[in-house]
Amino acid sequence: NAGVTQTPKFQVLKTGQSMTLQCAQDMNHNSMYWYRQDPGMGLRLIYYSASEGTTDKGEVPNGYNVSRLNKREFSLRLESAAPSQTSVYFCASSHRGRDTEAFFGQGTRLTVV
Amino acid sequence: RKEVEQDPGPFNVPEGATVAFNCTYSNSASQSFFWYRQDCRKEPKLLMSVYSSGNEDGRFTAQLNRASQYISLLIRDSKLSDSATYLCVVNMVTNAGKSTFGDGTTLTVKP
Repeated sequence: NAGVTQTPKFQVLKTGQSMTLQCAQDMNHNSMYWYRQDPGMGLRLIYYSASEGTTDKGEVPNGYNVSRLNKREFSLRLESAAPSQTSVYFCASSHRGRDTEAFFGQGTRLTVV
Repeated sequence: RKEVEQDPGPFNVPEGATVAFNCTYSNSASQSFFWYRQDCRKEPKLLMSVYSSGNEDGRFTAQLNRASQYISLLIRDSKLSDSATYLCVVNMVTNAGKSTFGDGTTLTVKP
């Protein structure tokens, strides 16, 4: 029962470094999402992918890129990390459609120093 | 104005109390509604969907008022284990399943 798996769980980066957050789901979901959550705040959508081969910007896409490698995997890349990107990042997936539950990974706690 | 607004709380209540959270949404085209629960430093998980007719799951009751554009969550007989942040979530049909999250309401149930 893996569900949504994110790696790594924790990461510390120096300003200007790059990294890729990995996400994979085994529930055959079409839609996948990347969110960030800052302290005391809700989730803000960075990018989402409604199906394999498509990606769209969410509310806060600046400084990020994504790749929907296949139906299972959706990665998030920070090309040049900034302290403002210190946050908890959640990957999620769901079946397509309005009434479907989103399943989340355990999160990646990223600190940029 | 945020698309989805919640009272951040915190709500501090004794065990056994009844507590209610409200959430308002700004887009009248919103079609489906949910409450998620998030424990400290964990991922959000679906608590319940919210249907037009209202729905109940044990001690939890969710209501939707489309005319006033708000949803509510009522928790009866609060337990210590109910302590968490409750997130209001709204989906629109045109957004390919994309969800908009409120900032959450924090509940602490005390002995």
